[in-house]
Amino acid sequence: AQKVTQAQTEISVVEKEDVTLDCVYETRDTTYYLFWYKQPPSGELVFLIRRNSFDEQNEISGRYSWNFQKSTSSFNFTITASQVVDSAVYFCALSEAFTNDMRFGAGTRLTVKP
Amino acid sequence: ETGVTQTPRHLVMGMTNKKSLKCEQHLGHNAMYWYKQSAKKPLELMFVYNFKEQTENNSVPSRFSPECPNSSHLFLHLHTLQPEDSALYLCASSQEGRQSYNEQFFGPGTRLTVL
Repeated sequence: AQKVTQAQTEISVVEKEDVTLDCVYETRDTTYYLFWYKQPPSGELVFLIRRNSFDEQNEISGRYSWNFQKSTSSFNFTITASQVVDSAVYFCALSEAFTNDMRFGAGTRLTVKP
Repeated sequence: ETGVTQTPRHLVMGMTNKKSLKCEQHLGHNAMYWYKQSAKKPLELMFVYNFKEQTENNSVPSRFSPECPNSSHLFLHLHTLQPEDSALYLCASSQEGRQSYNEQFFGPGTRLTVL
């Protein structure tokens, strides 16, 4: 069965610092999809990115970047020059092919202080 | 209109009450989901409906009863709950449930407290 581990429970940084959120996953499938979601205090999870298991290209979107490495089963998320609005809980998730069961990590609570 | 709406946003109920949570999606999706988010556990998938048919039931106690009358609406009927059922209940939808590459869009959740 698939599993997602986010070892960092809470991270606190000062504005403008770079921060990396770690995500390690386990699956026996060769085809799977990885996701990152952001949960601000309002409660709803906001989709950030999806990666499929055949695409190891790193992705950059503004201040956000993602590093997918199959060799270490990791899908880490970096925020560059963090801002107070980045404060939220961030979830990494894994979905195996042809399933409805998206498994989420426990989440990392990021606090960015001014 | 936001993509996925949930009502009520907050609910306090006694263990003998019966209540229902409502979810509505305005995205034209065909799959809808119920998740439970407790303070000390990862997000737990409870139920999945794909084209109005229930396709997943992750060993959820029978005191939780889902209903999906159409692809846009999803209900969670609650009865004789326990205090440990207090949690944030999140609804989500996606384009089509069996295509696991589809991202899910979440509602704001219902914060449930069982006294």
